[in-house]
Amino acid sequence: EAGVVQSPRYKIIEKKQPVAFWCNPISGHNTLYWYRQNLGQGPELLIRYENEEAVDDSQLPKDRFSAERLKGVDSTLKIQPAELGDSAVYLCASSLRDGPAQYFGPGTRLTVL
Amino acid sequence: DQQVKQNSPSLSVQEGRISILNCDYTNSMFDYFLWYKKYPAEGPTFLISISSIKDKNEDGRFTVFLNKSAKHLSLHIVPSQPGDSAVYFCAASPRDQTGANNLFFGTGTRLTVIP
Repeated sequence: EAGVVQSPRYKIIEKKQPVAFWCNPISGHNTLYWYRQNLGQGPELLIRYENEEAVDDSQLPKDRFSAERLKGVDSTLKIQPAELGDSAVYLCASSLRDGPAQYFGPGTRLTVL
Repeated sequence: DQQVKQNSPSLSVQEGRISILNCDYTNSMFDYFLWYKKYPAEGPTFLISISSIKDKNEDGRFTVFLNKSAKHLSLHIVPSQPGDSAVYFCAASPRDQTGANNLFFGTGTRLTVIP
Protein backbone atom coordinates (compact mmCIF):
# COMPACT_ATOMS: atom_id res chain seq x y z
CA GLU A 1 0.00 0.00 0.00
CA ALA A 2 1.32 3.42 -0.94
CA GLY A 3 2.10 5.82 1.86
CA VAL A 4 1.42 9.53 2.09
CA VAL A 5 2.86 11.32 -0.93
CA GLN A 6 4.08 14.91 -0.79
CA SER A 7 5.58 17.21 -3.36
CA PRO A 8 7.84 18.97 -3.85
CA ARG A 9 10.42 17.52 -1.46
CA TYR A 10 12.45 20.72 -1.39
CA LYS A 11 11.61 24.32 -2.23
CA ILE A 12 13.76 27.45 -2.09
CA ILE A 13 12.08 30.81 -2.63
CA GLU A 14 12.69 34.49 -2.04
CA LYS A 15 10.72 36.17 0.72
CA LYS A 16 7.38 37.64 -0.35
CA GLN A 17 6.98 34.97 -3.02
CA PRO A 18 4.08 32.48 -2.93
CA VAL A 19 4.59 28.75 -2.46
CA ALA A 20 2.32 25.70 -2.49
CA PHE A 21 2.67 22.18 -1.15
CA TRP A 22 0.69 19.16 -2.29
CA CYS A 23 -0.31 16.05 -0.38
CA ASN A 24 -1.97 12.78 -1.37
CA PRO A 25 -3.01 10.76 1.70
CA ILE A 26 -3.20 7.01 2.17
CA SER A 27 -6.19 5.61 0.31
CA GLY A 28 -9.23 5.36 2.56
CA HIS A 29 -7.96 7.77 5.20
CA ASN A 30 -10.64 10.35 5.87
CA THR A 31 -8.57 12.56 8.13
CA LEU A 32 -5.72 14.67 6.81
CA TYR A 33 -3.32 16.87 8.76
CA TRP A 34 -0.77 19.52 7.91
CA TYR A 35 2.08 20.04 10.39
CA ARG A 36 5.04 22.38 10.46
CA GLN A 37 8.32 21.25 11.99
CA ASN A 38 10.95 23.82 12.88
CA LEU A 39 14.57 22.83 13.36
CA GLY A 40 15.09 21.01 16.66
CA GLN A 41 11.38 20.87 17.42
CA GLY A 42 8.58 18.37 17.08
CA PRO A 43 5.85 18.78 14.47
CA GLU A 44 3.11 21.30 15.28
CA LEU A 45 -0.39 21.02 13.85
CA LEU A 46 -1.51 23.67 11.38
CA ILE A 47 -4.84 22.27 10.19
CA ARG A 48 -6.90 19.08 10.32
CA TYR A 49 -9.44 17.96 7.72
CA GLU A 50 -12.25 15.46 8.08
CA ASN A 51 -13.00 14.60 4.45
CA GLU A 52 -13.23 18.03 2.78
CA GLU A 53 -14.09 19.97 5.95
CA ALA A 54 -11.44 21.84 7.92
CA VAL A 55 -12.44 20.92 11.47
CA ASP A 56 -9.48 22.48 13.26
CA ASP A 57 -7.56 25.39 11.76
CA SER A 58 -6.98 27.27 15.00
CA GLN A 59 -3.18 27.15 14.57
CA LEU A 60 -3.13 28.18 10.91
CA PRO A 61 -1.83 31.76 10.40
CA LYS A 62 -4.73 32.81 8.25
CA ASP A 63 -3.26 36.10 7.11
CA ARG A 64 -0.81 34.30 4.85
CA PHE A 65 -1.61 30.59 4.97
CA SER A 66 -4.48 28.84 3.24
CA ALA A 67 -5.36 25.22 2.63
CA GLU A 68 -7.91 23.24 0.72
CA ARG A 69 -8.92 19.62 0.34
CA LEU A 70 -11.17 19.41 -2.66
CA LYS A 71 -13.17 16.19 -3.02
CA GLY A 72 -11.86 15.02 0.34
CA VAL A 73 -8.69 13.41 -1.02
CA ASP A 74 -5.67 15.50 -2.10
CA SER A 75 -4.81 18.66 -0.23
CA THR A 76 -2.84 21.81 -0.95
CA LEU A 77 -1.25 24.15 1.57
CA LYS A 78 -0.31 27.61 0.36
CA ILE A 79 1.73 30.46 1.79
CA GLN A 80 1.42 33.93 0.28
CA PRO A 81 3.57 35.87 0.81
CA ALA A 82 6.32 33.80 2.41
CA GLU A 83 8.42 35.25 5.22
CA LEU A 84 11.87 34.27 6.46
CA GLY A 85 10.33 32.65 9.54
CA ASP A 86 8.34 30.24 7.38
CA SER A 87 11.47 28.20 6.67
CA ALA A 88 10.64 24.75 8.05
CA VAL A 89 9.61 21.25 7.05
CA TYR A 90 5.93 20.98 6.16
CA LEU A 91 4.53 17.54 6.89
CA CYS A 92 1.30 15.99 5.75
CA ALA A 93 -0.24 13.07 7.64
CA SER A 94 -3.37 11.00 7.33
CA SER A 95 -5.30 8.64 9.54
CA LEU A 96 -8.43 6.59 9.73
CA ARG A 97 -11.38 8.39 11.28
CA ASP A 98 -10.88 6.85 14.74
CA GLY A 99 -7.06 6.92 14.80
CA PRO A 100 -5.04 7.32 16.91
CA ALA A 101 -2.00 6.63 14.74
CA GLN A 102 -1.22 9.17 12.05
CA TYR A 103 0.96 8.29 9.08
CA PHE A 104 3.30 10.92 7.77
CA GLY A 105 4.65 11.75 4.36
CA PRO A 106 8.32 12.62 3.79
CA GLY A 107 7.68 16.36 4.11
CA THR A 108 8.60 19.43 2.09
CA ARG A 109 11.63 21.35 3.27
CA LEU A 110 11.00 25.05 2.60
CA THR A 111 13.82 27.58 2.64
CA VAL A 112 12.89 31.25 2.41
CA LEU A 113 15.79 33.54 1.48
CA ASP B 1 3.67 26.06 26.47
CA GLN B 2 5.19 22.63 25.81
CA GLN B 3 2.65 20.01 26.93
CA VAL B 4 4.88 17.07 25.98
CA LYS B 5 8.49 17.15 27.05
CA GLN B 6 11.49 15.06 26.17
CA ASN B 7 14.24 16.34 28.41
CA SER B 8 17.07 14.29 26.95
CA PRO B 9 18.10 15.61 23.55
CA SER B 10 20.41 12.66 22.94
CA LEU B 11 21.19 9.13 24.11
CA SER B 12 24.00 6.73 23.18
CA VAL B 13 23.73 2.99 23.79
CA GLN B 14 25.87 -0.02 22.94
CA GLU B 15 24.44 -2.49 20.45
CA GLY B 16 22.58 -5.29 22.22
CA ARG B 17 21.87 -3.25 25.33
CA ILE B 18 18.58 -1.64 26.35
CA SER B 19 17.63 1.85 25.20
CA ILE B 20 15.24 3.78 27.42
CA LEU B 21 13.70 6.97 26.09
CA ASN B 22 11.64 9.12 28.42
CA CYS B 23 8.75 11.52 27.99
CA ASP B 24 6.73 13.67 30.40
CA TYR B 25 3.42 15.41 29.82
CA THR B 26 1.36 18.00 31.62
CA ASN B 27 -2.16 17.65 30.21
CA SER B 28 -4.26 15.11 32.12
CA MET B 29 -6.76 15.04 29.23
CA PHE B 30 -4.37 13.15 26.98
CA ASP B 31 -5.96 9.86 25.99
CA TYR B 32 -3.41 8.18 23.76
CA PHE B 33 0.35 8.26 23.67
CA LEU B 34 2.47 7.40 20.68
CA TRP B 35 6.12 7.02 19.75
CA TYR B 36 7.50 7.92 16.34
CA LYS B 37 10.91 7.31 14.83
CA LYS B 38 12.42 9.73 12.34
CA TYR B 39 15.35 9.23 9.99
CA PRO B 40 16.96 12.24 8.27
CA ALA B 41 15.03 13.57 5.27
CA GLU B 42 12.06 11.31 6.04
CA GLY B 43 8.77 11.87 7.79
CA PRO B 44 8.11 10.45 11.26
CA THR B 45 7.26 6.73 11.25
CA PHE B 46 4.71 5.39 13.72
CA LEU B 47 6.24 2.86 16.12
CA ILE B 48 3.90 2.02 18.97
CA SER B 49 1.04 3.51 20.95
CA ILE B 50 -0.63 3.06 24.30
CA SER B 51 -4.07 3.98 25.57
CA SER B 52 -4.40 5.81 28.86
CA ILE B 53 -6.30 2.83 30.30
CA LYS B 54 -3.22 0.62 30.01
CA ASP B 55 0.19 0.78 31.64
CA LYS B 56 2.18 -1.32 29.18
CA ASN B 57 2.14 -2.20 25.51
CA GLU B 58 4.66 -4.43 23.78
CA ASP B 59 5.49 -4.96 20.11
CA GLY B 60 8.53 -7.06 19.40
CA ARG B 61 11.63 -5.28 20.66
CA PHE B 62 9.63 -2.17 21.60
CA THR B 63 7.73 -1.70 24.86
CA VAL B 64 6.01 1.45 26.02
CA PHE B 65 5.26 2.00 29.71
CA LEU B 66 2.78 4.57 30.99
CA ASN B 67 2.70 5.96 34.53
CA LYS B 68 -0.39 8.16 34.66
CA SER B 69 0.12 9.33 38.24
CA ALA B 70 3.56 10.64 37.33
CA LYS B 71 2.46 11.80 33.85
CA HIS B 72 5.40 9.91 32.45
CA LEU B 73 5.95 7.38 29.70
CA SER B 74 8.98 5.57 28.42
CA LEU B 75 9.98 3.55 25.38
CA HIS B 76 12.23 0.55 25.89
CA ILE B 77 14.10 -0.99 22.98
CA VAL B 78 15.64 -4.38 23.68
CA PRO B 79 18.04 -5.34 22.24
CA SER B 80 19.15 -2.12 20.59
CA GLN B 81 20.41 -2.37 17.02
CA PRO B 82 22.43 0.09 14.90
CA GLY B 83 19.39 0.52 12.63
CA ASP B 84 17.51 1.96 15.61
CA SER B 85 19.70 5.07 15.44
CA ALA B 86 17.23 7.89 14.73
CA VAL B 87 15.34 10.70 16.43
CA TYR B 88 12.45 9.46 18.55
CA PHE B 89 9.43 11.65 19.17
CA CYS B 90 6.89 11.17 21.89
CA ALA B 91 3.37 12.37 21.04
CA ALA B 92 0.11 12.62 22.94
CA SER B 93 -3.48 12.99 21.87
CA PRO B 94 -6.55 14.34 23.65
CA ARG B 95 -9.66 12.78 22.20
CA ASP B 96 -12.17 15.41 21.21
CA GLN B 97 -15.89 14.89 20.99
CA THR B 98 -15.72 13.95 17.32
CA GLY B 99 -13.40 11.04 18.13
CA ALA B 100 -10.55 12.34 16.01
CA ASN B 101 -7.26 13.37 17.50
CA ASN B 102 -4.62 16.07 17.28
CA LEU B 103 -1.11 15.07 18.21
CA PHE B 104 1.14 17.11 20.49
CA PHE B 105 4.79 16.26 20.02
CA GLY B 106 7.86 16.49 22.21
CA THR B 107 11.11 17.90 20.88
CA GLY B 108 12.66 14.49 20.24
CA THR B 109 15.58 12.42 21.52
CA ARG B 110 18.38 11.43 19.17
CA LEU B 111 19.32 7.80 19.80
CA THR B 112 22.70 6.53 18.65
CA VAL B 113 23.33 2.79 18.87
CA ILE B 114 27.04 2.08 18.82
CA PRO B 115 28.07 -1.15 17.07
